Amino acid sequence: EAQVTQNPRYLITVTGKKLTVTCSQNMNHEYMSWYRQDPGLGLRQIYYSMNVEVTDKGDVPEGYKVSRKEKRNFPLILESPSPNQTSLYFCASSLGRDSLYEQYFGPGTRLTVT
Amino acid sequence: AQSVSQHNHHVILSEAASLELGCNYSYGGTVNLFWYVQYPGQHLQLLLKYFSGDPLVKGIKGFEAEFIKSKFSFNLRKPSVQWSDTAEYFCAVNRWGSQGNLIFGKGTKLSVKP
Repeated sequence: EAQVTQNPRYLITVTGKKLTVTCSQNMNHEYMSWYRQDPGLGLRQIYYSMNVEVTDKGDVPEGYKVSRKEKRNFPLILESPSPNQTSLYFCASSLGRDSLYEQYFGPGTRLTVT
Repeated sequence: AQSVSQHNHHVILSEAASLELGCNYSYGGTVNLFWYVQYPGQHLQLLLKYFSGDPLVKGIKGFEAEFIKSKFSFNLRKPSVQWSDTAEYFCAVNRWGSQGNLIFGKGTKLSVKP
């Protein structure tokens, strides 16, 4: 089954403790992206990647890092999480970027930073 | 900065009522347009998309949207809603040449009363 998976689905952590949220897709998609969703703000793009070793900042990249060492994986790293990063995070992938093929979204990761 | 505006935060309708959700964007160049739906507790799913051609696009589950370039609008419509349409709806825009950066509106929550 074609899908985007994220782990963990739920995470409660404390300020400053480094964490990684994994994202994997099995559709051989070139393009992958991370969003955060906050009430009243909709979805905002954090980082995106157009291919292996090619990443770029979205609209709200501060406090986050990403890497794209393999085509299928696109982990999101919070080196020193803070309470304002409490949010619902979605990973997405699509076939390409030129005409922005449909983006397929993962199930989401609900992160709470205390 | 490019932005996407959804006029209604929360819409409440009775079953069989007609639906129209507004979406306007601020970018003047060529754009790709999307409507996504998020059912309670689920991830985003694509309802429909516009890349070029006929400005009236039909999506899944009886939804359609009309692109009016002169008004920078891409409103979502459904002639008769069902209780199962209760969800949050997001309009999204991708500007050609923006390297895949998808800009979302803040979302409209639709509640359909049985």
